[in-house]
Amino acid sequence: AQTVTQSQPEMSVQEAETVTLSCTYDTSESDYYLFWYKQPPSRQMILVIRQEAYKQQNATENRFSVNFQKAAKSFSLKISDSQLGDAAMYFCAFLEIQGAQKLVFGQGTRLTINP
Amino acid sequence: DTAVSQTPKYLVTQMGNDKSIKCEQNLGHDTMYWYKQDSKKFLKIMFSYNNKELIINETVPNRFSPKSPDKAHLNLHINSLELGDSAVYFCASSPFRSSSTDTQYFGPGTRLTVL
Repeated sequence: AQTVTQSQPEMSVQEAETVTLSCTYDTSESDYYLFWYKQPPSRQMILVIRQEAYKQQNATENRFSVNFQKAAKSFSLKISDSQLGDAAMYFCAFLEIQGAQKLVFGQGTRLTINP
Repeated sequence: DTAVSQTPKYLVTQMGNDKSIKCEQNLGHDTMYWYKQDSKKFLKIMFSYNNKELIINETVPNRFSPKSPDKAHLNLHINSLELGDSAVYFCASSPFRSSSTDTQYFGPGTRLTVL
């Protein structure tokens, strides 16, 4: 079974600085998707970024980018120019392509932005 | 228009009662899901339906019964509520094994409190 581990329960960063959230996963599959979701205090789950395992190029969405290391099974999220609105729980998630379409989530990292 | 909607957003009830949570998506997706987020924020899949057919049932107590009247709706009925059922329940939807995306889009969540 796939597992996803986020080893940082909490992180904090100064506004306008850069922060990196870590995620590792375990799978025997070669083809899969990885996601970062954001959950602000409103509790809505918001997709931040998505990475297909077959793509070598790291995904980027504006201030958000990932460092995908397939051999190391690592998928970190970098937030540049942090803004107060980035404060939230961030969840890393794994989705296998061939099997049941269920997201397997990490434990989450609570990100605080200091003004 | 809200893509994935859930009703109610909050539900407070007594132990032993039966309650339902409704979910609707207007994205034209084939697959819908129920996830449970516990008090420690951990998210776990409960059920998944594809075109009204159950495809994932993650060893959830049989007091929980999903019902999909059509592919745009997936309701969750819970019998004989217990204290441990208190959680946030998220509905999500996605295209099923689409070549374009397998991203799951989440509803706003229903916070269930059992007293």
